[in-house]
Amino acid sequence: AQSVSQHNHHVILSEAASLELGCNYSYGGTVNLFWYVQYPGQHLQLLLKYFSGDPLVKGIKGFEAEFIKSKFSFNLRKPSVQWSDTAEYFCAVRPNTGGFKTIFGAGTRLFVKA
Amino acid sequence: SAVISQKPSRDICQRGTSLTIQCQVDSQVTMMFWYRQQPGQSLTLIATANQGSEATYESGFVIDKFPISRPNLTFSTLTVSNMSPEDSSIYLCSVASRGAGANVLTFGAGSRLTVL
Repeated sequence: AQSVSQHNHHVILSEAASLELGCNYSYGGTVNLFWYVQYPGQHLQLLLKYFSGDPLVKGIKGFEAEFIKSKFSFNLRKPSVQWSDTAEYFCAVRPNTGGFKTIFGAGTRLFVKA
Repeated sequence: SAVISQKPSRDICQRGTSLTIQCQVDSQVTMMFWYRQQPGQSLTLIATANQGSEATYESGFVIDKFPISRPNLTFSTLTVSNMSPEDSSIYLCSVASRGAGANVLTFGAGSRLTVL
């Protein structure tokens, strides 16, 4: 069955530290890849997406993610986190089969200490 | 992107009762979905709400337990029937947008349901 694995459930960082959240998926075909974020008290929203082309994609607020097809990975990075990045981050995969079913990882709760 | 309103935002229900969650979108959308997020777990797709026809349910979810209505392109309801404590969860309405934001999901704020 298709699945998405996020490596860390909870991450605590100090401001200015670098961030990398791991994401791996299991699906052999073409995929669309996403990172969604949910800030405290807010809706789940799109952080960045990959459909095709340059495997290094940039999103809002200085986040980026790299698609490595051979590793079935789509890790999220940010060189220097801020207190306002405290949120829950979800990796998601949509197999490119023509449908809209999106499979989510379990999420990673990031807490950034000021 | 579309703006989604869900209600109720939260509710506490008794075992054996049913609750209907409403989802209103500010624009016409083709693809509308219902997700469940159980405590500490990922979002799981319950079903795709189809306008004018029966919803398409994912494995593990059945119409008798989660009946869905989609009378038009801006509105849907999800009913959680004969609730048990295991149904305590956040239920999320979501729509998919095409065009420049193709295949991106937009979510409502969710309905947090607690079953006693």
